[in-house]
Amino acid sequence: AQSVTQLDSQVPVFEEAPVELRCNYSSSVSVYLFWYVQYPNQGLQLLLKYLSGSTLVKGINGFEAEFNKSQTSFHLRKPSVHISDTAEYFCAVSDLGGYQKVTFGTGTKLQVIP
Amino acid sequence: ETGVTQSPTHLIKTRGQQVTLRCSSQSGHNTVSWYQQALGQGPQFIFQYYREEENGRGNFPPRFSGLQFPNYSSELNVNALELDDSALYLCASSPQQGLPEAFFGQGTRLTVV
Repeated sequence: AQSVTQLDSQVPVFEEAPVELRCNYSSSVSVYLFWYVQYPNQGLQLLLKYLSGSTLVKGINGFEAEFNKSQTSFHLRKPSVHISDTAEYFCAVSDLGGYQKVTFGTGTKLQVIP
Repeated sequence: ETGVTQSPTHLIKTRGQQVTLRCSSQSGHNTVSWYQQALGQGPQFIFQYYREEENGRGNFPPRFSGLQFPNYSSELNVNALELDDSALYLCASSPQQGLPEAFFGQGTRLTVV
């Protein structure tokens, strides 16, 4: 069974400051890793994904994440946030092969303060 | 290329009633998954359909059922609605079974009163 832990339920940060949203996962098999963003009353939009290869993954809107297998982490970072980044961010895992079931964390609300 | 579309966007039902939610998958995608997102929670996997057959299911009771049609669109049916079924229901499509990337629709907000 897989699980995802997002320790921070809310993260306030000032505009143009850097931010890191933390994600740890647990799985007995190799996994794919994702970050999704959800704006109010919207569905989920894929920010970035790690499938294999380079552990530093770049996504849309200036976000990047680093896969750390030894620490089972996949933290999301952005060097300078904008007001428009205010949203909820979900980390997710999917195991390799078989049917694609995605297991999500409980989400982190990023609030960018002007 | 059209994205994943869901209908209706909002729905209010009474406890005990039945509901059907619909999803049109993205063009060329043959795999559809459904998720339930309760308020303040992450999405929870309900089930997945591939080529008109259910091929994976999460921890949801049998009153949650689904269909996938030859054009790969899908329905989620929930019988005997309970208050706890109030949630955002998300549909996601993938271009091929086993590929990890899912594209989500905007969701259907179901309120059970």
